[in-house]
Amino acid sequence: ETGVTQTPRHLVMGMTNKKSLKCEQHLGHNAMYWYKQSAKKPLELMFVYNFKEQTENNSVPSRFSPECPNSSHLFLHLHTLQPEDSALYLCASSQDTSSGANVLTFGAGSRLTVL
Amino acid sequence: GQNIDQPTEMTATEGAIVQINCTYQTSGFNGLFWYQQHAGEAPTFLSYNVLDGLEEKGRFSSFLSRSKGYSYLLLKELQMKDSASYLCAVRDSNYQLIWGAGTKLIIKP
Repeated sequence: ETGVTQTPRHLVMGMTNKKSLKCEQHLGHNAMYWYKQSAKKPLELMFVYNFKEQTENNSVPSRFSPECPNSSHLFLHLHTLQPEDSALYLCASSQDTSSGANVLTFGAGSRLTVL
Repeated sequence: GQNIDQPTEMTATEGAIVQINCTYQTSGFNGLFWYQQHAGEAPTFLSYNVLDGLEEKGRFSSFLSRSKGYSYLLLKELQMKDSASYLCAVRDSNYQLIWGAGTKLIIKP
C-alpha cells in the first residue's frame, strides 16, 4: 500500500466504550498529525508528532490519547467520549514540521459516531 | 485572532470557469495552500503560493496577494469530477496551519 491508510473507516461507539483509531503511512515521512473535521467547520489540529516526539497538543480533552510508536504509525485512543466528539478524524503526514512547503498527505479519515 | 474566510458553497456549470476566493488575517505568513476534498475522501494537495502572483497547473491556477491577504483558486473547463470541497489554509509565523471551513463546489451539467 502507498500513501496514508486509516482504519477503521467507520466506527460507532457508546460513551463508555474504549476504541482506537489507527493510521499508517508508507511515504517515509517523519511528522504525523491528527485532525478533527466537523461539518462546515475548519480542520482542528489535535496532535502533532515529529520524529516520534509529540510537539503539539492543542488543548485536546484527555479522553483522546495519542500514541506514536514509530514514524510510520499513529494511534488515537478513545475513551469515555461525548456525542459532540462525533466527527471525521483525519490523519496526515509530512516530511517534517518545518521544511519547505511541508505539504500534508492525508488519509481518507475515520468517521466516528458516538451514541 | 486568526481567521480564514471562504464562501460556504458555490455552483457552476460544466465547461465553465469558477473562481473560489479566500481572504485571511493571520499572525505572519509562510505560505498559502489549496486542497481538494471529494466527499468521503482524503483532502489532496492542489497548490502552494508563497510569493505574489499566479501559479498555473493545468486547468487549476492559484493567485496570491500578500498585501491584500487574498488568494483565489481558478478552475477552468469545469468537469463533473471537480465537484468537491476546496480548502484554503495559511501557514502563520509559528508554522501553524490555519484552515478555512472549505467551499463546497457543485458542478451542474
